[in-house]
Amino acid sequence: EAGVTQSPTHLIKTRGQQATLRCSPISGHTSVYWYQQALGLGLQFLLWYDEGEERNRGNFPPRFSGRQFPNYSSELNVNALELEDSALYLCASSGIQGDEQYFGPGTRLTVT
Amino acid sequence: QKEVEQDPGPLSVPEGAIVSLNCTYSNSAFQYFMWYRQYSRKGPELLMYTYSSGNKEDGRFTAQVDKSSKYISLFIRDSQPSDSATYLCAMIGGFKTIFGAGTRLFVKA
Repeated sequence: EAGVTQSPTHLIKTRGQQATLRCSPISGHTSVYWYQQALGLGLQFLLWYDEGEERNRGNFPPRFSGRQFPNYSSELNVNALELEDSALYLCASSGIQGDEQYFGPGTRLTVT
Repeated sequence: QKEVEQDPGPLSVPEGAIVSLNCTYSNSAFQYFMWYRQYSRKGPELLMYTYSSGNKEDGRFTAQVDKSSKYISLFIRDSQPSDSATYLCAMIGGFKTIFGAGTRLFVKA
């Protein structure tokens, strides 16, 4: 069974640009979670999507947004990139809320 | 006060030792508990998932939850150098998932 996949693996952007990150959940999973892991910091919850709806978001500014498509894949958009947005962005999926979450390999975003 | 507290370590042990990793939490809404292992520059790998107080065993790993004390533990028996990684606790409740800061573990051969 294929795990959670993310693309691209690496992304380099300059300050002020926009970044789009993509995630495909495990087959049969309807919930997708996005996390930010900055160097030296723990995983910070960004967004949770379930059945195409945003269910919850963490303490991040509105320039972090996303969506979930009918096939349950998801996209994270970061507008007006800042240097401190440089981090590993991780996507996880689960069957239902409260179920165990499985992570993808992450997208490493570097903002210069 | 953070919702989840986890000692960042580092924790260094000899090969074969029993490792004890712990997290405390303050939010009674947390109902589901997970432990992850994360190698450098990789995504976290789920080790254990539990939702009830008590012990759950899987191979060399034992997860322990004490909801009355708001305390969870992960024990690793017969630790191996390949267990050297960062271990993250995570808790789900109230429509959110909160992770601990992670404990860096080094197992010396």
